[in-house]
Amino acid sequence: DGGITQSPKYLFRKEGQNVTLSCEQNLNHDAMYWYRQDPGQGLRLIYYSQIVNDFQKGDIAEGYSVSREKKESFPLTVTSAQKNPTAFYLCASSVGLAGASYEQYFGPGTRLTVT
Amino acid sequence: LAKTTQPISMDSYEGQEVNITCSHNNIATNDYITWYQQFPSQGPRFIIQGYKTKVTNEVASLFIPADRKSSTLSLPRVSLSDTAVYYCLVGSNTGTASKLTFGTGTRLQVTL
Repeated sequence: DGGITQSPKYLFRKEGQNVTLSCEQNLNHDAMYWYRQDPGQGLRLIYYSQIVNDFQKGDIAEGYSVSREKKESFPLTVTSAQKNPTAFYLCASSVGLAGASYEQYFGPGTRLTVT
Repeated sequence: LAKTTQPISMDSYEGQEVNITCSHNNIATNDYITWYQQFPSQGPRFIIQGYKTKVTNEVASLFIPADRKSSTLSLPRVSLSDTAVYYCLVGSNTGTASKLTFGTGTRLQVTL
């Protein structure tokens, strides 16, 4: 089965701790993305990567970091600098940079709760 | 940045056709219009994409007028399982991905 996996589905952390969210895809897509969704809101772009070893900040990158060492993996670290980290995090991928022609495929999401 | 505006919510009865309109007055020449569907606690799912006139697939139609300042997603004969949030995105794959902004979407509630 081809697709995107995110783990874990639910994650709980104490304030002040860094936490890394996993995202893996076996679709052979070049581009990958991380979004954050708050209750009743749309998705906001955190980071994206068009190719291995390259990534760009999205609209709300502060307090987050990413790496893209392998084509199929794009982990997101939520650092202690992120002031309000509790949210639903979604990873996506596309053949090329999303927009014209390239649809995004989304993972099931990770719900992070920080107390 | 092509900002989009959609109705916050819509209600429909099962079996009816639903039309959701998205306004995008600042759409750029290279921009495409893409619609996604999202169920609670799941990632969005691609529905349809178009550039101009009309696009139809097995689940929906997308109508885009000549000036491209708006678009309408048409869902024929909705069922209860179509209850979801629908997002309209406008952007191109030239330059950066900074146009990948999902608004609050339109929450469609289908009832019997």
